[in-house]
Amino acid sequence: KAGVTQTPRYLIKTRGQQVTLSCSPISGHRSVSWYQQTPGQGLQFLFEYFSETQRNKGNFPGRFSGRQFSNSRSEMNVSTLELGDSALYLCASSLYRGNTDTQYFGPGTRLTVL
Amino acid sequence: GENVEQHPSTLSVQEGDSAVIKCTYSDSASNYFPWYKQELGKGPQLIIDIRSNVGEKKDQRIAVTLNKTAKHFSLHITETQPEDSAVYFCAAFGLTGGFKTIFGAGTRLFVKA
Repeated sequence: KAGVTQTPRYLIKTRGQQVTLSCSPISGHRSVSWYQQTPGQGLQFLFEYFSETQRNKGNFPGRFSGRQFSNSRSEMNVSTLELGDSALYLCASSLYRGNTDTQYFGPGTRLTVL
Repeated sequence: GENVEQHPSTLSVQEGDSAVIKCTYSDSASNYFPWYKQELGKGPQLIIDIRSNVGEKKDQRIAVTLNKTAKHFSLHITETQPEDSAVYFCAAFGLTGGFKTIFGAGTRLFVKA
């Protein structure tokens, strides 16, 4: 069974731009969670989607948004990029509600904001 | 807010020795505690997990213990091998403030051959 895939793997953007990242969960998994990983802050929870609805949200500004499609694929968008948004963005999928079930992570998208 | 503290931040052991990583959590309602291993250029991979109704769980060279009273849980790796070198994260699924998984800051483990 294929694992969680994330595209693109690497992105370079400039301040003020916006970016969209994509995540395809493991087949059959309905929950997708997004995390930001930085050396200083570690793994920070962004949001969780289940059955196309956002179920939970972390403490990030409104510039960070996401959505989930009927096939469980998910996208996250960051608008008006700031230098501090440079990070590894990870998505994780699970069969049911993400935080009560085993989560499987993708390889991440490395975003660099110049 | 909810917090997970992880120690040490760096751990260096000789091949064949044991490694222990410790975590404490703040949300007494937490009921699920996974451990992840992250190798360079990869996403975190689940290596073992424990639920709050269990005190200890073992899988070959890896074991996890949970002390709910003290809000501590630990990862034990025995007979370490160079391929165990990676960053290890503990996490706690908290109920307070909404369902979310809080991660520790990570421990970089070096296993010297």
